[in-house]
Amino acid sequence: AQSVTQLDSQVPVFEEAPVELRCNYSSSVSVYLFWYVQYPNQGLQLLLKYLSGSTLVKGINGFEAEFNKSQTSFHLRKPSVHISDTAEYFCAVVYRGGSEKLVFGKGTKLTVNP
Amino acid sequence: DTGVSQDPRHKITKRGQNVTFRCDPISEHNRLYWYRQTLGQGPEFLTYFQNEAQLEKSRLLSDRFSAERPKGSFSTLEIQRTEQGDSAMYLCASSPGGTGNTIYFGEGSWLTVV
Repeated sequence: AQSVTQLDSQVPVFEEAPVELRCNYSSSVSVYLFWYVQYPNQGLQLLLKYLSGSTLVKGINGFEAEFNKSQTSFHLRKPSVHISDTAEYFCAVVYRGGSEKLVFGKGTKLTVNP
Repeated sequence: DTGVSQDPRHKITKRGQNVTFRCDPISEHNRLYWYRQTLGQGPEFLTYFQNEAQLEKSRLLSDRFSAERPKGSFSTLEIQRTEQGDSAMYLCASSPGGTGNTIYFGEGSWLTVV
């Protein structure tokens, strides 16, 4: 079955600390990988995506993610977080050759404390 | 580019009533998706359209749910005989189609069934 696992439901960190949000996916086929962010009472905004090429992908707001095919992972990182990064983060996968629909993980709530 | 627009943003209805949500995708996006999101969960795929053709429906989409995209532009999602379990945020998204293109989300329509 196609599934995405976000290992941490909540991640509290202090401002200016580094953060890593973990994501693993099930796969026997090629995939595209995405991270979306959702602020309270809003829709989802794309942070970054991996389609092919370099396994290190840079996105908006200083976030980056690394695709690891052997570990079927796509972890999101930021070297120094701000209060404004407090939000819900969703990892999503598109399984190539299908309908190109996004399959989402359950999300990780990132809380940045002063 | 005005983004994906959804209406209404909030709807409170009594159990057993019918409700309809409208989605206006980004102009010229030929793919349109509907997702459902409950509290603490990631978005779950409901259905998607390529132009006016409904190409895939999730098993989550019971026979009380119907979606249309009559002219390949806006779409409607109707829920008949609402149940309390239908309370959720309904997200619409669109993309220009093609491999790996970004899927853009609207702000969502919150449904509360009382």
